[in-house]
Amino acid sequence: DAGVTQSPTHLIKTRGQQVTLRCSPKSGHDTVSWYQQALGQGPQFIFQYYEEEERQRGNFPDRFSGHQFPNYSSELNVNALLLGDSALYLCASSLLISGNTIYFGEGSWLTVV
Amino acid sequence: AQTVTQSQPEMSVQEAETVTLSCTYDTSENNYYLFWYKQPPSRQMILVIRQEAYKQQNATENRFSVNFQKAAKSFSLKISDSQLGDTAMYFCAFRIGNEKLTFGTGTRLTIIP
Repeated sequence: DAGVTQSPTHLIKTRGQQVTLRCSPKSGHDTVSWYQQALGQGPQFIFQYYEEEERQRGNFPDRFSGHQFPNYSSELNVNALLLGDSALYLCASSLLISGNTIYFGEGSWLTVV
Repeated sequence: AQTVTQSQPEMSVQEAETVTLSCTYDTSENNYYLFWYKQPPSRQMILVIRQEAYKQQNATENRFSVNFQKAAKSFSLKISDSQLGDTAMYFCAFRIGNEKLTFGTGTRLTIIP
């Protein structure tokens, strides 16, 4: 049973560019969330997708956008990259059930130079 | 807004000893869920243990147990017979229903051989 998978593992982008990160949820899960984890900090919630709709959003600018596909996989897009966007981006999946455990992928390391 | 506080940035303990990591949270909700996640150097967030707020009994998973004090809004993690593989960042997290996870800032735990 595959867990949450993310790609790419590492990437380097230049300030002002755009990036797309991809995530496949754990088998059987229907809800995908994205978190940003800066070095030395706890993960911060970006947004959550269910049935291809954004259900909940954290305090992130519109430069951060996402998408969920019919097979429940998801993408995170960040436009006009800033140096401060350098972080580990974690994808998480679960069932949309109250209190259901959330499982995380290994993350995508983004470095903006 | 819910907040999670971990007041111990770093801890270390000898192998085979017991260690307790502290976590407090703030919420006006009555029903919620609490989690401890472990993040080793590989960076994947791994669930250690979970607690439902409506349950009075403290959760236990092998060497890991919690001390959940609802009135005090405290949720500490006890690791018994600590092992070298327990070395990691530990994050306390809070969740209401099927909403986002709110994380603390983490405690870096080092097990000394």
